[in-house]
Amino acid sequence: DIVMTQSPDSLAVSLGERATINCKSSQSLLYTPNNRNYLAWYQQKPGQPPKLLINWASTRESGVPDRFSAGGSGTDFTLTISSLQPEDVAVYYCQQYYSRALTFGGGTKVEIK
Amino acid sequence: QITLKESGPTLVKPTQTLTLTCTFSGFSLTAGGAGVGWIRQSPGKALEWLALIFWDDDKRYSPSLKSRLTITQDTSKKQVVLTMTNMDPVDTATYYCAHSVGYCVRGNCYADPYFQDWGQGTLVTVSS
Repeated sequence: DIVMTQSPDSLAVSLGERATINCKSSQSLLYTPNNRNYLAWYQQKPGQPPKLLINWASTRESGVPDRFSAGGSGTDFTLTISSLQPEDVAVYYCQQYYSRALTFGGGTKVEIK
Repeated sequence: QITLKESGPTLVKPTQTLTLTCTFSGFSLTAGGAGVGWIRQSPGKALEWLALIFWDDDKRYSPSLKSRLTITQDTSKKQVVLTMTNMDPVDTATYYCAHSVGYCVRGNCYADPYFQDWGQGTLVTVSS
């Protein structure tokens, strides 16, 4: 299995400040024939199912605010919230879909400082 | 509008078999590239992928749970069913079904197994 490791486990950020979440995979998620990284990011608010934010490591889903951005390649990826808003309080998960066995990271809880 | 809804028992006893049904609308599982998966979340814990079935009836399972899981589809009813045998209290979790998409090019279809749409989930408690 590809192991997905997120850091930190939680972070508290002031409103309007930047939040950065890291996701590291145990093997590369880059498929060189198409130069795509098989990584998605989700946001899960309390009591709700996850919501897809990002696919292909950096492509925002329609309707996702542009304060959310993501990047990285190979084994190291980041999700950044450029200016934290109250509605961004949630747990964020990365997920690899490179291998037949899908795996999620352990989650990062984002709170307001 | 795509919707998915999970249904099944809220309480099962240890050693019993759990059967969950995902009823969906707004997409077809016969469409090239489409998939429906199951993901669970134990209370306060992370997401754990369980199984995925595709338009061509290809099936994938979590290696750690493969011996206990079976995923099937009924395209006429627009349902996907997950069975999990030998339930244990550690299997207590909210179980979600979710929709993945794909694409077709020159007659070949490919799955992109990330999950665009999710059901609300159903909490299953395993207790005697």
